[in-house]
Amino acid sequence: EPEVTQTPSHQVTQMGQEVILRCVPISNHLYFYWYRQILGQKVEFLVSFYNNEISEKSEIFDDQFSVERPDGSNFTLKIRSTKLEDSAMYFCASSELLPGNQPQHFGDGTRLSIL
Amino acid sequence: AQKITQTQPGMFVQEKEAVTLDCTYDTSDPSYGLFWYKQPSSGEMIFLIYQGSYDQQNATEGRYSLNFQKARKSANLVISASQLGDSAMYFCAMREVGFGNEKLTFGTGTRLTIIP
Repeated sequence: EPEVTQTPSHQVTQMGQEVILRCVPISNHLYFYWYRQILGQKVEFLVSFYNNEISEKSEIFDDQFSVERPDGSNFTLKIRSTKLEDSAMYFCASSELLPGNQPQHFGDGTRLSIL
Repeated sequence: AQKITQTQPGMFVQEKEAVTLDCTYDTSDPSYGLFWYKQPSSGEMIFLIYQGSYDQQNATEGRYSLNFQKARKSANLVISASQLGDSAMYFCAMREVGFGNEKLTFGTGTRLTIIP
């Protein structure tokens, strides 16, 4: 069964450094998402992406964050200047299309640790 | 106000018994979707089951079923004949259908532990 692939599985970065998290969504999916989960807390939406542009973003997704689909397969999340509070599990997800009955399929996540 | 409420932070259930995980939601949108995800200790998020607000029948997927009570705004997950591998966090999530409403809103989760 096709799956969403995320790399790396664990990223350790010094505070203030830039980090790029990578995702390969399922190939025929059109909608892409990033979520994060701070340790022990619930999953929070960051951003959704469709047709090469952001379609929705949360208050968490400030100017430090950006997303890109640099080619036909990859979808990346960049954090420009990381803070300690950015430490979390970051999940990429994709779905085939709207409306709401399409499940979002999640990758295994990237655990980001900011030192 | 919270859109998704899961009131059971943890549950312990004997192997082979059925278990119900509670989820209530809040929305004024007539069109929405409800999802359950499983998160094992390894951390990945696994889609389990979906229920649409206009679906007439309760969703079922193998040992998983969704007890959807629209008037009460509840969407409880029922796992029949529980197995040790069912031990995990379980998250209820909702998506309100409509332009620009693409995000899933998650509850705080229920940690289910199956006892042998």
